[in-house]
Amino acid sequence: GAGVSQTPSNKVTEKGKYVELRCDPISGHTALYWYRQSLGQGPEFLIYFQGTGAADDSGLPNDRFFAVRPEGSVSTLKIQRTERGDSAVYLCASSLTGQGPGSEQFFGPGTRLTVL
Amino acid sequence: AQSVTQLGSHVSVSEGALVLLRCNYSSSVPPYLFWYVQYPNQGLQLLLKYTSAATLVKGINGFEAEFKKSETSFHLTKPSAHMSDAAEYFCAVRLNTNAGKSTFGDGTTLTVKP
Repeated sequence: GAGVSQTPSNKVTEKGKYVELRCDPISGHTALYWYRQSLGQGPEFLIYFQGTGAADDSGLPNDRFFAVRPEGSVSTLKIQRTERGDSAVYLCASSLTGQGPGSEQFFGPGTRLTVL
Repeated sequence: AQSVTQLGSHVSVSEGALVLLRCNYSSSVPPYLFWYVQYPNQGLQLLLKYTSAATLVKGINGFEAEFKKSETSFHLTKPSAHMSDAAEYFCAVRLNTNAGKSTFGDGTTLTVKP
């Protein structure tokens, strides 16, 4: 069965460029999450979607970061004017309903972003 | 608000020895607690979760964890380590007031020596 997939697996870009990271959740999962994992640290919450809407975007670090999920399935994380400090592994997760804290989040393998 | 502290960024045990990975949490309301394992170049995989039912939780691969409210702890244990247990382990907390957001500790890398 297909799990959460993320593309690309690796992305190298130059400072100041724009990047898009894609997440394909498990089919039928209504909730989708983005996290960022810097070297030597645990994942850090960025944003949570319930369906097409962002239910909680409190983790987005600044207005250079934006995420969409227009049809309630695939999501794209967009980073404008990238900075070297944006280098990290970006993780996506999905869960069946997102209702209740006990609902299991299934994680993708991540996209490793390197900003030169 | 919530936070997680994992004591010991690296733990090394011999094969067949007890595994103990420590996790302490802080939360303003009763928490939901999770342990995940991450193998190199793979996504996080859920080992077990505590959601206010039994305080001793059994998970996959022989792992278990006990929720101790008085100690604000949720330590992960396994009686006998196997070489395949070598990985990075993350403890996480979620609150019922903010169901989507998980807060993770910084992880503990487990090494298993033959």
